[in-house]
Amino acid sequence: AQSVTQLDSHVSVSEGTPVLLRCNYSSSYSPSLFWYVQHPNKGLQLLLKYTSAATLVKGINGFEAEFKKSETSFHLTKPSAHMSDAAEYFCVFLNWARDDKIIFGKGTRLHILP
Amino acid sequence: NAGVTQTPKFQVLKTGQSMTLQCAQDMNHNSMYWYRQDPGMGLRLIYYSASEGTTDKGEVPNGYNVSRLNKREFSLRLESAAPSQTSVYFCASGTGANYGYTFGSGTRLTVV
Repeated sequence: AQSVTQLDSHVSVSEGTPVLLRCNYSSSYSPSLFWYVQHPNKGLQLLLKYTSAATLVKGINGFEAEFKKSETSFHLTKPSAHMSDAAEYFCVFLNWARDDKIIFGKGTRLHILP
Repeated sequence: NAGVTQTPKFQVLKTGQSMTLQCAQDMNHNSMYWYRQDPGMGLRLIYYSASEGTTDKGEVPNGYNVSRLNKREFSLRLESAAPSQTSVYFCASGTGANYGYTFGSGTRLTVV
């Protein structure tokens, strides 16, 4: 079965410290993976995407993610958190070789402490 | 402006009433999706359409129907609304993995 799991429902970091949001996937096929961000009462914005090119993907606002096939992971990182990063983050999976269904993780809410 | 347009933005229904949520995209995307978002559940796929003329069930299709009217439009219908359908609904469109997916701004639906 295809699935995506976000390992933490909430993450709290202090402003200026690194951010790590964890995502694992399960698939028999090579997936495409995305991270989206949703600020309070807003829509969803694409942060970055992995589509079988470079395994280290750089996105907007200083975020990046590394695709690790051996660990079936696609963790999102940022070297230094900013207050404006406080939001909910979704890891999203697409099995493009099999169907066109995109599946969301349950989300990780990122809290930034002053 | 290019993007995904959802209407209405807010709606309150009484139990048993019906309504249709509209979604239109002007990016010439093949695929369109309807999701619902509930606290702690992430976004769950209701229905999707990989191309004009085709629709498929997602994770939570019960109580909903969809129509892919043409390449631009994908509507979601609640025939007999229930309080359990209170949620925020998002429409999305895309044209393949290389380009990501664009989401509408959402419809906040309350069923009383």
